[in-house]
Amino acid sequence: QMQLQESGPGLVKPSETLSLTCTVSGGSISSRSYYWGWIRQPPGKGLEWIGSIYYSGNTYYNPSLKSRVTISVDTSKNQFSLKLSSVTAADTAVYYCARPYSSSWYSAFDIWGQGTMVTVSS
Amino acid sequence: EIVLTQSPGTLSLSPGERATLSCRASQSVSSSYLAWYQQKPGQAPRLLIYGASSRATGIPDRFSGSESGTDFTLTISRLEPEDFAVYYCQQYGSSPWTFGQGTKVEIK
Repeated sequence: QMQLQESGPGLVKPSETLSLTCTVSGGSISSRSYYWGWIRQPPGKGLEWIGSIYYSGNTYYNPSLKSRVTISVDTSKNQFSLKLSSVTAADTAVYYCARPYSSSWYSAFDIWGQGTMVTVSS
Repeated sequence: EIVLTQSPGTLSLSPGERATLSCRASQSVSSSYLAWYQQKPGQAPRLLIYGASSRATGIPDRFSGSESGTDFTLTISRLEPEDFAVYYCQQYGSSPWTFGQGTKVEIK
């Protein structure tokens, strides 16, 4: 059964770059043409889609974050990654990686990582 | 972007009762690409419904989804103790994907 696991620093200083990795186990990241996603949730608030990456490397970002976001994939390591630059306290959130239920672009997310809390503070 | 407005904010019900949650979209959601998720404290969201009315794998049939124009509804026919949680709707028919603000179903 496929599982996703986020990893990365739990504390990032303001103006620096947040970097997270999602490791996929129980299946190959390139075995099917999924659009792997990143979603975040500030404490006590709702969910926000950050962006998605196709297994081949094509990326799709939320316009509200597009200028600061980079998502990449490393098929050799079965991982995909998120970088968010120039962070502020507003970027403090639980960050989730997720896989959609189908290989269509139009698909909800049915497999989620457990989430990792990232705090932006000096 | 499509704005999803969920109501009510909180629903106070007893086990065994019926829960009706609403999600209204600011514009048409392409091809009924609307999902519902359940989230419990400290856990990741769990997909319940996709395509407005299709249950995800392993989801009990007490959960059902429906749509009428830009209005979407999640119904839990008889609340079980494990159903008390926060529920989110999400549209994935028009990028950027967006989520509603959530409805908390709490024990009365």
